[in-house]
Amino acid sequence: DAGVTQSPTHLIKTRGQQVTLRCSPKSGHDTVSWYQQALGQGPQFIFQYYEEEERQRGNFPDRFSGHQFPNYSSELNVNALLLGDSALYLCASSLGQGRGSHGYTFGSGTRLTVV
Amino acid sequence: AQSVTQLGSHVSVSEGALVLLRCNYSSSVPPYLFWYVQYPNQGLQLLLKYTTGATLVKGINGFEAEFKKSETSFHLTKPSAHMSDAAEYFCAVTGDTNAGKSTFGDGTTLTVKP
Repeated sequence: DAGVTQSPTHLIKTRGQQVTLRCSPKSGHDTVSWYQQALGQGPQFIFQYYEEEERQRGNFPDRFSGHQFPNYSSELNVNALLLGDSALYLCASSLGQGRGSHGYTFGSGTRLTVV
Repeated sequence: AQSVTQLGSHVSVSEGALVLLRCNYSSSVPPYLFWYVQYPNQGLQLLLKYTTGATLVKGINGFEAEFKKSETSFHLTKPSAHMSDAAEYFCAVTGDTNAGKSTFGDGTTLTVKP
């Protein structure tokens, strides 16, 4: 049973560029959440997608956007990259938006470095 | 609103000793509480969770945690540490009306000495 798959695993971008990160949820899961984990910190909630719509959003600027496809996979897009966007980006899948009791299945993350 | 405080960013124990990692939370609604473990260069893995019912919950790898509402705590314990337990541990809270959005603590790095 495949878990959460993220690509790419590592990425180096220049300030001002744009980046797209991809995520395939665990089989059977329909909800995808994205988290940013800066070095030495806990994950910070970016947003959550369910039924192809953004359902919740954390305190991140509009430069962060996303999409969910009919097969439940998701993309995270970041425009106008800043040095402070360097972090591990984690995709987490779950079943059923609103079922907060289940916990997440996390991918291994995409390490983004902005230079 | 919800938040998590993990007391102690680094905990060091000897192999075979008791592991205690502390977590206090705040939530405006009844919480769901979680502990996750993260090994280097990996994502987070769910160790255990409290939703409703029994306040002492058991998880994988011999870990357990007790939900104490009066103390707003959810400390993680393991009777005997193993070298393979060395990792970073995160406590998280989800309010049951927050549609699955979890708030994480800043983590505790557990070191196990031989």
